[in-house]
Amino acid sequence: ETGVTQTPRHLVMGMTNKKSLKCEQHLGHNAMYWYKQSAKKPLELMFVYSLEERVENNSVPSRFSPECPNSSHLFLHLHTLQPEDSALYLCASSQDRGRETQYFGPGTRLLVL
Amino acid sequence: GQNIDQPTEMTATEGAIVQINCTYQTSGFNGLFWYQQHAGEAPTFLSYNVLDGLEEKGRFSSFLSRSKGYSYLLLKELQMKDSASYLCAVRGGGGSYIPTFGRGTSLIVHP
Repeated sequence: ETGVTQTPRHLVMGMTNKKSLKCEQHLGHNAMYWYKQSAKKPLELMFVYSLEERVENNSVPSRFSPECPNSSHLFLHLHTLQPEDSALYLCASSQDRGRETQYFGPGTRLLVL
Repeated sequence: GQNIDQPTEMTATEGAIVQINCTYQTSGFNGLFWYQQHAGEAPTFLSYNVLDGLEEKGRFSSFLSRSKGYSYLLLKELQMKDSASYLCAVRGGGGSYIPTFGRGTSLIVHP
């Protein structure tokens, strides 16, 4: 399988649940990103990992917790989310941090009830 | 800070030409990207401009004027499948190479 994959594609969770989003890239890239995409708003950068080290954290609430166990995998752990966190969560990767084109996964559509 | 402006929505007819504009005000400049995003799908890379001028790639072309803080994406011979959101993203300066995205322009192509 090639490109960037994300699971699950759709997720419905209550505010007290704990869930994780998974991203995997098969492109041999060194940098991975989490973005949030809400209706009528620009893509919002959440986290950047370069060579498995978190290099940027854009003032994201602590109820979102990223994890990058290796350069091919990226997780976003979710707990005690709010309804306003409902959005499309996109994972992307690039050869290096921001210097190259980003390749996006299909996203996880999250609904928080 | 970074500010990127694009029209929210545009409509065009199949077979026609459409130009989607993007203006930006950023701290420094290290390139501008255009992405296409179909509903429910991932954004896909269309073009990258870092120098002034026109870059042509098949039916799609992208233009950049750094002095004016302006870019456009030109789509020729429109097809129904071109109905999508088109995202402009600018990479600023200051050592951070992460692009900042605009809100996107939703293009609707009519028969």
